Amino acid sequence: IQMTQSPSSLSASLGDRVIITCRASQDIGGDLGWYQQKPGQAPKLLIYSASTLQSGVPSRFSGSGSATDFTLTISSLQAEDFATYFCLQVATYPYTFGQGTKLEIK
Amino acid sequence: DVQLAESGGGLVQPGGSLRLSCAASGFSLRDSWIQWVRQAPGKGLVWLSRVSGYGDIARFADSVRGRFTVSRDYPKNTLYLQMDSLKAEDTAVYYCGREVATASLCDSWGQGTLVAVSA
Repeated sequence: IQMTQSPSSLSASLGDRVIITCRASQDIGGDLGWYQQKPGQAPKLLIYSASTLQSGVPSRFSGSGSATDFTLTISSLQAEDFATYFCLQVATYPYTFGQGTKLEIK
Repeated sequence: DVQLAESGGGLVQPGGSLRLSCAASGFSLRDSWIQWVRQAPGKGLVWLSRVSGYGDIARFADSVRGRFTVSRDYPKNTLYLQMDSLKAEDTAVYYCGREVATASLCDSWGQGTLVAVSA
């Protein structure tokens, strides 16, 4: 399954609402997660099962979607949110990541 | 406290082998699915493998199937990724992660170990 993530990069300002999308090449139900990664660090799980917020993750992060189209929304950007975001489908082996979205400060 | 620690990375020649370790603490490997992912310098994340708690189920990405295998040392609570026939494109930081109970996604990761394949 191919995961097409967009945009590949995004410039935004503090307080902005940001939407990142992932499209699967076939139906994956709700078997998708979102990760945040900062330089030199391991990925951090934000969302699982497409829309469930991982414990400890701020509520400004939310996920939605099913089947082939998914979104990660950050409702009001904070300084610590500038990072790279990846989606991962876990419906079918081999699991596959999107290519990533680098979120930068405008 | 759940912790994972990768080790065993280094420089290896093309065609060579390397064994990475993923040492777990704060939980038993028998109770958890573990995944391996890697990240080439400046590139995105690539999923490699998923292994069941008892090691009876292991799945691999197409790019490494037949070259990479996994094994466990239960007394040491350590998982190993044996990497054979290494290629330049295997150069990356390798991470192991423990899955959350409710989804096939990892919420705990090690710090990563760098593998460089070069002559």
